[in-house]
Amino acid sequence: GIQVEQSPPDLILQEGANSTLRCNFSDSVNNLQWFHQNPWGQLINLFYIPSGTKQNGRLSATTVATERYSLLYISSSQTTDSGVYFCAVGGGGTYKYIFGTGTRLKVLA
Amino acid sequence: ETGVTQTPRHLVMGMTNKKSLKCEQHLGHNAMYWYKQSAKKPLELMFVYNFKEQTENNSVPSRFSPECPNSSHLFLHLHTLQPEDSALYLCASSRDGNNSPLHFGNGTRLTVT
Repeated sequence: GIQVEQSPPDLILQEGANSTLRCNFSDSVNNLQWFHQNPWGQLINLFYIPSGTKQNGRLSATTVATERYSLLYISSSQTTDSGVYFCAVGGGGTYKYIFGTGTRLKVLA
Repeated sequence: ETGVTQTPRHLVMGMTNKKSLKCEQHLGHNAMYWYKQSAKKPLELMFVYNFKEQTENNSVPSRFSPECPNSSHLFLHLHTLQPEDSALYLCASSRDGNNSPLHFGNGTRLTVT
């Protein structure tokens, strides 16, 4: 099956800093999502981004499907950005979304 | 997100109990999912239903029994669980399998004593 790897596994930032999170996947995928899981366990959709670039406020994401990776950019980080960031990929012909191991982000005030 | 509702939010049960988790989606989606998230592990897919039919069973033990009476409701029946089954159980839905985005509920945090 498809393997999904995220890096770095852990990240500590000072408030106001920028960061880049990476998601690599081992096979062709139909689509890709980025999620933020807050400290209460809630998974929030950030981006649905099979390819190309999208931006939403301080966050943006780029997926290069042909090279099998996606990047999530966080600019001017805030303490509320803390939590775990997951990418999930879906392949053709199935209903499965496979999740990566996540990047645990802590933003210090 | 409020489109997918899970109840209860927290559940503590003994190993001999029988309980059920409930999930309801108000998004008009056709596919519903159960995921398990244990501490320090990625989300693990358990079951997928599409138009009420089970399309994936990811080698889940029989002490977990899913039920999907219609496209809007999904249950996970639990019986004779083990302490290692303690985890966050997350329900999700999508309009059209993995060709459309997943939307998650807030999860049920289960503790088996």
